[in-house]
Amino acid sequence: AQTVTQSQPEMSVQEAETVTLSCTYDTSENNYYLFWYKQPPSRQMILVIRQEAYKQQNATENRFSVNFQKAAKSFSLKISDSQLGDTAMYFCAFIGGSYIPTFGRGTSLIVHP
Amino acid sequence: DAGVTQSPTHLIKTRGQHVTLRCSPISGHKSVSWYQQVLGQGPQFIFQYYEKEERGRGNFPDRFSARQFPNYSSELNVNALLLGDSALYLCASSWDWGDSYEQYFGPGTRLTVT
Repeated sequence: AQTVTQSQPEMSVQEAETVTLSCTYDTSENNYYLFWYKQPPSRQMILVIRQEAYKQQNATENRFSVNFQKAAKSFSLKISDSQLGDTAMYFCAFIGGSYIPTFGRGTSLIVHP
Repeated sequence: DAGVTQSPTHLIKTRGQHVTLRCSPISGHKSVSWYQQVLGQGPQFIFQYYEKEERGRGNFPDRFSARQFPNYSSELNVNALLLGDSALYLCASSWDWGDSYEQYFGPGTRLTVT
């Protein structure tokens, strides 16, 4: 069974600064997808960024980018120019051949003005 | 276009009772998944349905059941409620079951069991 570990329960950052959230996973599969989801205090979960394991290039979506290290099974999220609206829970998730997602426990990010 | 909708928003039940949660997917989406999110944890997968058939089931007891209707809406049923069933129940929809990474989540139903 796959496991996803987010070792940082809470993180904080000053507005306009950069923060990196960590995620590691364990799998014996070679083809899979990794995701970062954001869950603001209003609860609705939204997809932030997605990475296909077969792609060596790290995914980027505007201020959000990932550092995908397949051999190390590491998938960190970097948020640049942090904004107050980035305050949320962030979940790392894995989907393999079963198409059933496994989520980490989440990291609570607070952006301070 | 409307997003994924769930009803009710909040629900309070007593131990031993039964509960039904409802989900309407985004128009055109044929797959619905259900998750349980206990406070302080990530979502745990319960079920996935596609074209009215169960395509995946998580590690939950038989007290949990679900179904999908011809219009692709879905119900999650939980029997003999336990205190530990208190959680946020999330529904997510996607175009098809193999495309589960393109999931769109609803706002959730907060279930409290007393």
